[in-house]
Amino acid sequence: EIVLTQSPGTLSLFPGERATLSCRASQSVSSSYLVWYQQKPGQAPRLLIYGASIRATGIPDRFSGSGSRTDFTLTISRLEPEDFAVYYCQQYGSSPLYSFGQGTKLEIK
Amino acid sequence: QVALKESGPALVEPTQTLTLTCTFSGFSLSTSAMRVSWIRQPPGKALEWLARIGWDDDKLYSTSLKTRLTISKDTSKNQVVLTMTNMDPVDTATYYCARDVVYIGGYYYYYYMDVWGKGTTVTVSS
Repeated sequence: EIVLTQSPGTLSLFPGERATLSCRASQSVSSSYLVWYQQKPGQAPRLLIYGASIRATGIPDRFSGSGSRTDFTLTISRLEPEDFAVYYCQQYGSSPLYSFGQGTKLEIK
Repeated sequence: QVALKESGPALVEPTQTLTLTCTFSGFSLSTSAMRVSWIRQPPGKALEWLARIGWDDDKLYSTSLKTRLTISKDTSKNQVVLTMTNMDPVDTATYYCARDVVYIGGYYYYYYMDVWGKGTTVTVSS
């Protein structure tokens, strides 16, 4: 069973700073099957990144994804006020077929 | 424009069966590579994928919940229905449906859920 572990659990930063969020898989995951979502309070998740590094339609270029095999990273280059939210990574294709990380809460410092 | 909307009871008693409907627009579940998934999120907790149905009627279920779940589609109505039996208070959550896409880019297959419904909150209590 593949388990995704996100770190840190909470990240406190100022607007304008750079955010680096980690997603570590317990077994190797194909990069094309690694996805990142953003979720704001009271809202549904929003697709940010698929294929580990491909921005979804309409996602600003301050969001970038990278990584391979067991280590993946979501980077937000310069935080805007609207970026403070919870971020989830998700993998497809390996047992379990779909799994999510536990989330990283990005909060304003 | 793609949109999905979940509907169902807000309150379910323990041991009852929950039936949720996802009504969507802007795409067809008879189109190749289109799927719809159900995902839930207990209050303050992480997302959990539940089930998926595809254009070809292929169905997949969460390993831990598969004995309790049934997913079906009505292509003519643009609806996907999820039933969950033997509900328990731990099943209290917001339930989402999402369009689940397979995108072929070059040599690679990409999988992602690109449009989500707003969710419906289900409380299990007597």
